[in-house]
Amino acid sequence: KQEVTQIPAALSVPEGENLVLNCSFTDSAIYNLQWFRQDPGKGLTSLLLIQSSQREQTSGRLNASLDKSSGRSTLYIAASQPGDSATYLCAVSRGAGGYNKLIFGAGTRLAVHP
Amino acid sequence: DGGITQSPKYLFRKEGQNVTLSCEQNLNHDAMYWYRQDPGQGLRLIYYSQIVNDFQKGDIAEGYSVSREKKESFPLTVTSAQKNPTAFYLCASSTGGGNEQFFGPGTRLTVL
Repeated sequence: KQEVTQIPAALSVPEGENLVLNCSFTDSAIYNLQWFRQDPGKGLTSLLLIQSSQREQTSGRLNASLDKSSGRSTLYIAASQPGDSATYLCAVSRGAGGYNKLIFGAGTRLAVHP
Repeated sequence: DGGITQSPKYLFRKEGQNVTLSCEQNLNHDAMYWYRQDPGQGLRLIYYSQIVNDFQKGDIAEGYSVSREKKESFPLTVTSAQKNPTAFYLCASSTGGGNEQFFGPGTRLTVL
């Protein structure tokens, strides 16, 4: 059974720091991995999607890496800003087509203070 | 604007009542999903639909029902059989199973 773990559960950093959020999964047979952002009381915003054949994806100050063999992904946020404060969730998908659900981690709650 | 809408934003249910949460998308996506989120936890899949008139149970389907009569719409009914329905409910859609999912703004359901 696939399990997704995110460490740390919460993180507080001063503005300007570079930071890394971690996501690990128990079954390396994944199709893709998605990172999401969730603001309090809101839905999820998709940040990055990494296909199983890829090693990393970048969008602006965000960089996500994937190491399937070790069951790990990291989300790197450069030059953090107070507006980055949110909960970050990672989720893995088992396959393409048909019934292939996302398995979510519990998230990392990030606070960036001025 | 393309996107996913959910209504209402807040919903209150009395004991023994059935309530229906709305989810509509204009992204022309085939697949739609319903998730439940409890405080401090990840999302758990309730129901999934790959195409119109077809849907499958997820991990926590007991006490819930869905329909998929139109491609754009995937309403979720929380029945009185669901013993602990207070949660945040999120609807999502994608072009197909395993592809990138896009989420609506959510409905917060509270049992009075």
